[in-house]
Amino acid sequence: AQTVTQSQPEMSVQEAETVTLSCTYDTSESNYYLFWYKQPPSRQMILVIRQEAYKQQNATENRFSVNFQKAAKSFSLKISDSQLGDTAMYFCAFMKSSTGANSKLTFGKGITLSVRP
Amino acid sequence: GAGVSQSPSNKVTEKGKDVELRCDPISGHTALYWYRQSLGQGLEFLIYFQGNSAPDKSGLPSDRFSAERTGGSVSTLTIQRTQQEDSAVYLCASSLTQLGNEQFFGPGTRLTVL
Repeated sequence: AQTVTQSQPEMSVQEAETVTLSCTYDTSESNYYLFWYKQPPSRQMILVIRQEAYKQQNATENRFSVNFQKAAKSFSLKISDSQLGDTAMYFCAFMKSSTGANSKLTFGKGITLSVRP
Repeated sequence: GAGVSQSPSNKVTEKGKDVELRCDPISGHTALYWYRQSLGQGLEFLIYFQGNSAPDKSGLPSDRFSAERTGGSVSTLTIQRTQQEDSAVYLCASSLTQLGNEQFFGPGTRLTVL
């Protein structure tokens, strides 16, 4: 079974600064996908960024980038130039990619990020 | 286009009653998922539908929980004889195909069992 660990329950960052959210996972799979989802107070889960494990290059989406360390099973999210609208709960998630696998997401416990004005 | 919709947004019920939660996925999405989000357990997978295949029910916590998906579109999650520990936010998601694709989430139904 897969597990996803987000050890920091809360973080705070000043507007315009950079913050890194940590995530580690455990799996025996060699191929998989990793995701970061954002959940603002509205409850709507929104995909932030996605990484395919077979790709060595770290994914980037505008101000969001990841540091994917496959050997260390680490998948951290870096938010640059933090904005007030980034205030939300962030979830790290894992999905198997083996043929016939259930494509369910396994989530970490989440981290609450507050951006201070 | 329209996203995933869920109804009701909030549901308060008494212990022992049955409840039905509805999910309308994005049109054309073949995969549909139900998750439960609670304070103590975080986000947990409940059930997964893919096209006309038999659903994966491996995440359902007890036989009081069931779900169906009619015509490959709308899904209903039913909880019978609700208990206080069923109080949670129930999230539905859909995606185009299986592996690796983004799952689009609905706004959830907050269930409170008194």
